[in-house]
Amino acid sequence: NAGVTQTPKFQVLKTGQSMTLQCAQDMNHEYMSWYRQDPGMGLRLIHYSVGAGITDQGEVPNGYNVSRSTTEDFPLRLLSAAPSQTSVYFCASSQGGGRYGYTFGSGTRLTVV
Amino acid sequence: AQSVAQPEDQVNVAEGNPLTVKCTYSVSGNPYLFWYVQYPNRGLQFLLKYITGDNLVKGSYGFEAEFNKSQTSFHLKKPSALVSDSALYFCAVRAPTGRRALTFGSGTRLQVQP
Repeated sequence: NAGVTQTPKFQVLKTGQSMTLQCAQDMNHEYMSWYRQDPGMGLRLIHYSVGAGITDQGEVPNGYNVSRSTTEDFPLRLLSAAPSQTSVYFCASSQGGGRYGYTFGSGTRLTVV
Repeated sequence: AQSVAQPEDQVNVAEGNPLTVKCTYSVSGNPYLFWYVQYPNRGLQFLLKYITGDNLVKGSYGFEAEFNKSQTSFHLKKPSALVSDSALYFCAVRAPTGRRALTFGSGTRLQVQP
């Protein structure tokens, strides 16, 4: 099982550029989410989805868009990158309302210059 | 709103000694509680969870945690620390209803000295 796969692992963007961080899971989990990790702040929720076609905002959604057209994929789009979006991004998925735990991807380290 | 506090930025312990990493939470209703560990330049690895049942939860790599509802705590413990346990530890909570998202603490760096 691949679990949760994130691509790319590293990315450098210039301010104002756009890009999509990919997240795919092969466990048929209905719930998927995106977090960003910044030093001393833990992980903060950006967006989440409880199923295909359903998405909602988390704590820090500004500057990010998501869509969920399939159960497997949950891409995160940066519309116009800013230095404040320099962070490590993690995708997570779960089944059964989270009672079985959440599976995390290995992360994408994004630097915006 | 739910929240998690990890009051110690860093915990230092000698190899072979017991370790405790503290976590307190705030949430409406009965919480789902989790501990994750992160090694340098890696993703988060699941250690253990409390959903319901026995207040003492045993997890991976010899770790355990005790759910204390009256103190709203979920401290992570291990009887004998290893140098290889040195990592960043995160406590997380999920409310029993609502968005199903995890709220994380700020993390505690565990340093085990040989």
